[in-house]
Amino acid sequence: SQQGEEDPQALSIQEGENATMNCSYKTSINNLQWYRQNSGRGLVHLILIRSNEREKHSGRLRVTLDTSKKSSSLLITASRAADTASYFCATRGSQGNLIFGKGTKLSVKP
Amino acid sequence: EAGVAQSPRYKIIEKRQSVAFWCNPISGHATLYWYQQILGQGPKLLIQFQNNGVVDDSQLPKDRFSAERLKGVDSTLKIQPAKLEDSAVYLCASSRMWGATNEKLFFGSGTQLSVL
Repeated sequence: SQQGEEDPQALSIQEGENATMNCSYKTSINNLQWYRQNSGRGLVHLILIRSNEREKHSGRLRVTLDTSKKSSSLLITASRAADTASYFCATRGSQGNLIFGKGTKLSVKP
Repeated sequence: EAGVAQSPRYKIIEKRQSVAFWCNPISGHATLYWYQQILGQGPKLLIQFQNNGVVDDSQLPKDRFSAERLKGVDSTLKIQPAKLEDSAVYLCASSRMWGATNEKLFFGSGTQLSVL
């Protein structure tokens, strides 16, 4: 079963704009991770936010976590064509394995 | 550091045939995962190894899928016989250890399987 669900399913923006995607999850977590997947490639880890953190930055990425709402958001500022990819949130299942959502497909047009 | 290696990159077979995928994780990574990713969906865990022992195979269709990790390094995933619904990308991932909640996964590029 899937723990996280991303929203929207697809997002199309112009280069230079900001992109925001959201993730909702069902059970309590220790942390939440975001991954990126370029077309035809494997997933690449972007950022991890712990349950006691509310916001975290990495370059042009900003992640927020609201444990009371069981939700997280990923903001990509000043987007580039190279940011075109699918983005997934992931949380730990009861067996310790990572469970991924269905992803948000981001398209950045030059 | 070398990444996770997978082969083949693509495979096309007919239903009821068998197929095998190979994965070489990052050197020193104790934990290895096989995920199935159907088009338009997120990866779904099939099996997880800690060294050469199975930690979780609850979502592996054991009547047709099998996996092994000999000597705690390389791993193979086999499907026999394949069904049309097995068409997907099979991703291998590794991490340094199992059980640490902040462990991140390193993924290979995957094997795209088409069952005709």
